[in-house]
Amino acid sequence: DVKVTQSSRYLVKRTGEKVFLECVQDMDHENMFWYRQDPGLGLRLIYFSYDVKMKEKGDIPEGYSVSREKKERFSLILESASTNQTSMYLCASSFRQRQETQYFGPGTRLLVL
Amino acid sequence: AQSVTQPDIHITVSEGASLELRCNYSYGATPYLFWYVQSPGQGLQLLLKYFSGDTLVQGIKGFEAEFKRSQSSFNLRKPSVHWSDAAEYFCAVGYNDMRFGAGTRLTVKP
Repeated sequence: DVKVTQSSRYLVKRTGEKVFLECVQDMDHENMFWYRQDPGLGLRLIYFSYDVKMKEKGDIPEGYSVSREKKERFSLILESASTNQTSMYLCASSFRQRQETQYFGPGTRLLVL
Repeated sequence: AQSVTQPDIHITVSEGASLELRCNYSYGATPYLFWYVQSPGQGLQLLLKYFSGDTLVQGIKGFEAEFKRSQSSFNLRKPSVHWSDAAEYFCAVGYNDMRFGAGTRLTVKP
């Protein structure tokens, strides 16, 4: 079974803090994704990575950056957290193509005060 | 514009009743089609997927979905709902990228 893990289930940060969300997958998948989930809006893609050190912006990249130094690990960085970044963050991975089955981590619920 | 629509935001059914959740998409060609389920506070779990072939797809937990090309639909069904099926359900469409519907929240009445 594919396993995608996220470093924290719940996180509370203050406005202006730098926040790191980590994601690790154990199935040698090429692609990794970061989504943001808000009620009524479904999942919105923030960034995705198709290879080590390669990334592409998704639909809502503003205020976020990412890092993929190793194939199994994909980090989401909030350079200066703001209250409107309070949300559920979901990491996912897929084998080779973006449109293939994506496997999700348990999510990180971030509260920015 | 390419889109995926789940018309029902919230559905309530009685335990033991049948269930159908709707999903419509707007794409030029037949995309990959998925249904995911999300229990409260959890990530998304794949229920089933359609890539090609038989238009009736069986998934986990007793769910099935039918692809209807003429209606651009991929509706999820279950003949008898259990209380543990209460969750949020997402339809997703894969075509160059992956797009998710806004979700349908299912409540199960005892």
